[in-house]
Parts: sequence; structure tokens; C-alpha cells
Amino acid sequence: GNSVTQMEGPVTLSEEAFLTINCTYTATGYPSLFWYVQYPGEGLQLLLKATKADDKGSNKGFEATYRKETTSFHLEKGSVQVSDSAVYFCALVTGGGNKLTFGTGTQLKVEL
Amino acid sequence: NAGVTQTPKFRILKIGQSMTLQCAQDMNHNYMYWYRQDPGMGLKLIYYSVGAGITDKGEVPNGYNVSRSTTEDFPLRLELAAPSQTSVYFCASSQTGEGAAFFGQGTRLTVV
Repeated sequence: GNSVTQMEGPVTLSEEAFLTINCTYTATGYPSLFWYVQYPGEGLQLLLKATKADDKGSNKGFEATYRKETTSFHLEKGSVQVSDSAVYFCALVTGGGNKLTFGTGTQLKVEL
Repeated sequence: NAGVTQTPKFRILKIGQSMTLQCAQDMNHNYMYWYRQDPGMGLKLIYYSVGAGITDKGEVPNGYNVSRSTTEDFPLRLELAAPSQTSVYFCASSQTGEGAAFFGQGTRLTVV
């Protein structure tokens, strides 16, 4: 079956630090990969996605590259802000289907 | 822009009671989903719908029922509430079948 493994949090960084949140996956077939962000008290928002190997998804300064050889989709940002504090979820879907498999989420705290 | 609207935001139920969680979207999306989010866990798919009149089970459907009489609405019914159903429930919708792009703000349900 499908599964997603994320690094455990919380991750605490100073403002302007570099961010990496690791995500690896196991999937049957060729998955599409997603990062979602959940701000406090809100629902999830799609942050970025990639649908095939070597694709790079990007949005709001965040990037993630679909690495088939390492089955990874790590989230990166060059300079984080306090407003980036949230929980980040890695997810996948296979076969053009509609059932997302989520990781457990990684909480990011950015301090001044 | 309303997006995906869930009601209520909070609810406490006694064991054995029933209730309906409401979800409405105004984006004319065909695909709608119900997820639950337990502490320290990723989201689990309860039920989904690919269009009015069509619903199907997700990963954790037991104890729940859904209906989809219109494109806009996708209510989730809990019959005979149990403590194991204490969770945060998210409704989501998407235009395409690949994943879910828009989430509601969630309903925090406690069963005592």
C-alpha cells in the first residue's frame, strides 16, 4: 500500500534560516506528490505539487523536487519568516485517483 | 469567496447520540471528501464523492454515512457516537480527481 513518512517536529528555526522538511514515500505505481500547509485554527491549503519524476513544485518561496530514485519530496525554503509557522503535510495520490495518503505532519515554529 | 464551509466548528456529543456535520462548497467542484485528523496522525479519508448521487467509502468509513444530493453539499452523518470518533473533521473539494485542493476550517468533535 501507499505510505508517507515525514520528519518529526517540531522544527524550530530563527527567522531567515534555511528550511528543509524531509518527506519520503512508498507507493504502487507513479504517484503525484503534494505539500499542504495548515495554519493555526485553519484547514489545510495546497502549497505545491509535482506530478512526475524530476518535476519541481514551487509556491511562496517553497520548493520541492520529485526524486524518484530516492522516493523523496523534501520541502525547502531559503529564508523562513515568522508567518511560515504552521504544520506542513506531505501527501501522495496514485493512478490519477482521488484518495490522498498523508504523512503525520511536521510542525514548524519560526522565531524572531 | 466562501470556498468550503463547514458547520459547526465545535461540538460535544454524548456517547450514543447522533449528529450531522455540514459541508458546502460554492466552486462547483465535482469531487468532495471527508477526512478525520487525529492528534499526531495524518488525515484519514472517511468518504468521498465524485458527483451528485455518487459516494464511496474511504479508508475509515465505519460509524459514518454520507449523502450527496447536490453538487454543493456533502453532509457527514454520525450515528451512535463513540469516543473513538473524537477527532477533527475536514471537508474538502477539488475540481479534478487528483487529490483535494480546498479544505474547510474543520469541525472539532468530542464524544464523552
